[in-house]
Formats: sequence, C-alpha cells, structure tokens
Amino acid sequence: AQKITQTQPGMFVQEKEAVTLDCTYDTSDPSYGLFWYKQPSSGEMIFLIYQGSYDQQNATEGRYSLNFQKARKSANLVISASQLGDSAMYFCAMREGETGNEKLTFGTGTRLTIIP
Amino acid sequence: NAGVTQTPKFQVLKTGQSMTLQCAQDMNHNSMYWYRQDPGMGLRLIYYSASEGTTDKGEVPNGYNVSRLNKREFSLRLESAAPSQTSVYFCASSEPGQYSGQPQHFGDGTRLSIL
Repeated sequence: AQKITQTQPGMFVQEKEAVTLDCTYDTSDPSYGLFWYKQPSSGEMIFLIYQGSYDQQNATEGRYSLNFQKARKSANLVISASQLGDSAMYFCAMREGETGNEKLTFGTGTRLTIIP
Repeated sequence: NAGVTQTPKFQVLKTGQSMTLQCAQDMNHNSMYWYRQDPGMGLRLIYYSASEGTTDKGEVPNGYNVSRLNKREFSLRLESAAPSQTSVYFCASSEPGQYSGQPQHFGDGTRLSIL
C-alpha cells in the first residue's frame, strides 16, 4: 500500500485564486511528521511547511497552510492568493521512525500550473 | 550559505562504468540521505546515514554503495552502471528529531544518464 498518496497529477489554477493540493497518508505509528516540498522547473527541493502528528493546530507559513485532518489521515496544502511563481511540482512527504533513524517517504507529486 | 553541495551536476556514463557521486553539507547535520527521482515518481530513498560511521539501506539500494566519509560527506557509488539507474540523484541532510519540524535540506541534484 502507498504510504503517501497524491491523487492530483496536475492542476491548473487562475492567478490570485486559492488552491488545495491533496495528500493522504498511511501509517500505524502514532508519531510522525508531514512535510510539503516545492520543486520548481530548476529542480531544487524547497521545504514549505511541516505538521507534526501531535500538533493541535494546523501549520501556517505565510501563504501556505496545512489542512491537517488526523482521523482522515489527510494533510492537504493550501496556497492562498496564488502567484505565477507558484507553478511547480509539489510533494507531500511523511517522516516515520525513531529519533536518529527517521526516514521520509514521498508522494508522486502534483504539478501545479498558475494561469495568468 | 552553501548548505548541501553535490558534484557533479551532470554526468553521462556507459553501461558498466563506475562512478561516485559526492555530497557535502556544512550545517553540522548528523543525518544524511541519498534519493533518486524518476519521471512521474516522487523521491525514493536509496541509502541513509543516521550518524557518522553508520549507513542503512533505504527503499531501492540495489546497485549502489555508500560511504559516510566523515560528518560532512556522504558519497554514493555505482559500481557497474545500468540504464535503469538513469535518474536524478539528490543528497539531503537533517538533524534527527522525531518530534521536531526539522526538514531535510536538499542539494541541487545530479542528473545521471547511462547509455
């Protein structure tokens, strides 16, 4: 079974609109972390936002917020007021494992295209 | 702010050749990782090193070896390259912390083509 599932291979969104990128995960470990990374066409991996499994509040970082629904095992990324520079691949990832032995598992990504 | 530095950035090999991808980080991180990224797929873990002197297999270790030379450097070796190893390779580092939001910091990647 996939540990991280991103069901939207591609999305097109009008500039200045909000966009939600879906991510569901599968784990039996009570302690885990969820990350979102952005990969622009230049190829580098840019960390966006983090949510810990014990965090009570949804994480926010500027225009990025994470809609964390633990019971549904979903961790959707919300980008408000999208910009042309948001066009990129977006990856959801889950960290599991004991301290010092953590590993990240990545989803297959969503390609977001912002339309002017 | 160098962060994680990978060399080379691009490489073309012939089937059967060997090569070593180099990775160095200047953030004093204990943990380092090697991933490969193939079209339409996310990053898949090849090997990781939780600390200097230790290495462990990830999801796709076959055909690769690694060396954690010191705390800064973690190299990936292809002993006999195969076309199936054509990919983009990323090195990453992080501080351990099961409950922390410490992200993995990535290098810019190495595009490797095997003919």
